[in-house]
Amino acid sequence: KQEVTQIPAALSVPEGENLVLNCSFTDSAIYNLQWFRQDPGKGLTSLLLIQSSQREQTSGRLNASLDKSSGRSTLYIAASQPGDSATYLCAVENNNAGNMLTFGGGTRLMVKP
Amino acid sequence: KAGVTQTPRYLIKTRGQQVTLSCSPISGHRSVSWYQQTPGQGLQFLFEYFSETQRNKGNFPGRFSGRQFSNSRSEMNVSTLELGDSALYLCASSLASGQTQYFGPGTRLLVL
Repeated sequence: KQEVTQIPAALSVPEGENLVLNCSFTDSAIYNLQWFRQDPGKGLTSLLLIQSSQREQTSGRLNASLDKSSGRSTLYIAASQPGDSATYLCAVENNNAGNMLTFGGGTRLMVKP
Repeated sequence: KAGVTQTPRYLIKTRGQQVTLSCSPISGHRSVSWYQQTPGQGLQFLFEYFSETQRNKGNFPGRFSGRQFSNSRSEMNVSTLELGDSALYLCASSLASGQTQYFGPGTRLLVL
């Protein structure tokens, strides 16, 4: 059974810092890994999707890497801003899982002005 | 184009009642998945429908059911509500397996 863990559970940084969020998974037979952002009481916003054959994806100030063999992914946020404050979730889709995502518990990020 | 929409946004029910939630996917998306989010258990997969067929089901009791219509709109039903069913219910749509999933704003259900 796939298990996804995110460390740290919460993080507080001053504005402008570069930061790294971590995600680990137990079963390396994944189809893809996705990073999402969730604002309080809201739905999820897709940030990046990395296919299992890829090593990284970039979008603006965000860069996500994937090391399937070691069961790890990182989300790098450059030059953090207060508007980045949210909960960040990673989720994996296993092979033959038909769109079923297994989520980590999330990292709650606060960027202080 | 319009995103995923869910109705209603908020619901208050009492134990023993039943509830139906609706999800309209992004136009052209044939896959709709449902998730339950609670503070204690996080996000958990309920089920996924593709072209009106349930392809996957999570580890939830039979009180939780769903269906998908020919226009890809989906409904989920929870019968005999329990206090523990209080949660944010999210649906997501995608073009196909392995593609980015787009989530709706959710329906917040409170069971009293």
